[in-house]
Amino acid sequence: KAGVTQTPRYLIKTRGQQVTLSCSPISGHRSVSWYQQTPGQGLQFLFEYFSETQRNKGNFPGRFSGRQFSNSRSEMNVSTLELGDSALYLCASNRHSTDTQYFGPGTRLTVL
Amino acid sequence: KQEVTQIPAALSVPEGENLVLNCSFTDSAIYNLQWFRQDPGKGLTSLLLIQSSQREQTSGRLNASLDKSSGRSTLYIAASQPGDSATYLCAVSRTGNQFYFGTGTSLTVIP
Repeated sequence: KAGVTQTPRYLIKTRGQQVTLSCSPISGHRSVSWYQQTPGQGLQFLFEYFSETQRNKGNFPGRFSGRQFSNSRSEMNVSTLELGDSALYLCASNRHSTDTQYFGPGTRLTVL
Repeated sequence: KQEVTQIPAALSVPEGENLVLNCSFTDSAIYNLQWFRQDPGKGLTSLLLIQSSQREQTSGRLNASLDKSSGRSTLYIAASQPGDSATYLCAVSRTGNQFYFGTGTSLTVIP
């Protein structure tokens, strides 16, 4: 079966702009989680959506937001981009929180 | 806040050797623990998932153990191969899918 897909794979933006990243989970998976990975901070949890509702939220400023659609696809938005937002953004999906998480290949965001 | 530590940060071993990667966490009230591998420039691949009520999980040459009371987990890799070279990440969740990740162990298996 198809894995988790993320689009776009690469993005270059300038400070102050906003960006939207997309994640399509594995068919049948209702939970989608987002993570930020940077060399300095490692992997950090952003938020989780389950059945269109945000279920958990990490410690990130309000500039980071997300949503989930009825088909379980999810988007995350970062407004007023800062240089420090440059990172690999990963999404993961599973059916239930007791199941293995499957990760997508990530979106590499560079903020200039 | 949950802190996850992985030791060593880097490890280099000859092919065929058995090895152990260590993970420790500060809050023993975990929901589950997962071990992942990450290849350069790629996403994460889940290796083993251990529920909080379990003590270990095995898959092929991999065995992961969990000791919640001491806040420790180990990943044992038997008969290592060059294809095992990757960064190994340990992650624990307190609730649902909100995982806290360690900084990883970079493993190199020398042919």
